[in-house]
Amino acid sequence: GAVVSQHPSWVICKSGTSVKIECRSLDFQATTMFWYRQFPKQSLMLMATSNEGSKATYEQGVEKDKFLINHASLTLSTLTVTSAHPEDSSFYICSARDGGGLYEQYFGPGTRLTVT
Amino acid sequence: GQNIDQPTEMTATEGAIVQINCTYQTSGFNGLFWYQQHAGEAPTFLSYNVLDGLEEKGRFSSFLSRSKGYSYLLLKELQMKDSASYLCAVRDSNYQLIWGAGTKLIIKP
Repeated sequence: GAVVSQHPSWVICKSGTSVKIECRSLDFQATTMFWYRQFPKQSLMLMATSNEGSKATYEQGVEKDKFLINHASLTLSTLTVTSAHPEDSSFYICSARDGGGLYEQYFGPGTRLTVT
Repeated sequence: GQNIDQPTEMTATEGAIVQINCTYQTSGFNGLFWYQQHAGEAPTFLSYNVLDGLEEKGRFSSFLSRSKGYSYLLLKELQMKDSASYLCAVRDSNYQLIWGAGTKLIIKP
């Protein structure tokens, strides 16, 4: 099946610094990628949807200047958490939709971010 | 608004059968998904229903009734490794996935 990777799998950073998370589709072209955040014991919360070569569409309440998303190629999207605060600590998961597929999103393994 | 309801938590016994229900109200419907998520891991795909009826895949089956806005995930011959959260998600008219809060399934020996 289709594989999506994320890097890093976990990261600890200091408050005020920025962190970049990469999401790659390894064996298919992902025309659309999604970024989710999940707090403990809560469901997935969609942060933004990005289409290759265009600006990401952010969900209501998600600060686009704080969570920078770049989808420069059909196999790579990045999420940069700028000026991270402890409340940004969460599990960040990306998923990708095969351009030719009609239904399935393939999830990356997630990135655990801890801001101290 | 869009809404997906599923029970917060269920408990079942190893070897038994459990049914996890999901009801939805969404703007359009383009399929319903069930995902399994173990603690600290990303969701993994279990099943997809777009037409009414039952889809069987090994020990797992998923049922859909579009007229009732209802689905269930049936897990047979439960194993301890099936302890996880099960997420119901509906794809709306914009092809966005709307997620339920998940059902935590606890399997007891």
